[in-house]
Amino acid sequence: QQQVKQSPQSLIVQKGGISIINCAYENTAFDYFPWYQQFPGKGPALLIAIRPDVSEKKEGRFTISFNKSAKQFSLHIMDSQPGDSATYFCAASRTSGSARQLTFGSGTQLTVLP
Amino acid sequence: DAGITQSPRHKVTETGTPVTLRCHQTENHRYMYWYRQDPGHGLRLIHYSYGVKDTDKGEVSDGYSVSRSKTEDFLLTLESATSSQTSVYFCAIGGGREQYFGPGTRLTVT
Repeated sequence: QQQVKQSPQSLIVQKGGISIINCAYENTAFDYFPWYQQFPGKGPALLIAIRPDVSEKKEGRFTISFNKSAKQFSLHIMDSQPGDSATYFCAASRTSGSARQLTFGSGTQLTVLP
Repeated sequence: DAGITQSPRHKVTETGTPVTLRCHQTENHRYMYWYRQDPGHGLRLIHYSYGVKDTDKGEVSDGYSVSRSKTEDFLLTLESATSSQTSVYFCAIGGGREQYFGPGTRLTVT
């Protein structure tokens, strides 16, 4: 059972455009929602994160929008640059067992054309 | 990579052989995690540790075991590797809501 659904699987945008990646979750026990950026051959790196009591969080060109009632959240990359080309993963965090655990979406491969 | 190293970085092994992957951290974090990454599945939790000698199973633990004898080291063992365990394995550390990932180990089981 995939608890975090991510779309689209791949995304191509022009330089300067807006990239939008969407995620939806099912388990209301999730209480923290990070996004990770991964370049080829590297580990995922934390990009930005949001708590469910906040509807929007912005850090530079990256914004998370969060809709708690719909159980959906999205990543917006403004003024997309070729250097943003990477795979992006949404995730949802909750306490399960003896630790905080992350459940990941399936990933979006973003290509920004010069 | 947040003071996390993984070894080896690449390994090719044959079906049925045992394999051990090592994760080493210099951040003194209590929690350590092992994930596997496969196309279309994102990252899936294999096992995690919440202290020395304290471990628990994750979503895809079958065929894997772990050990943690020191705070800084977390070992993942495939007792008898199978082709379905061909994957990229990531170690992560975390003390709160966020986790930080190592560079990964690409394992191929032939």
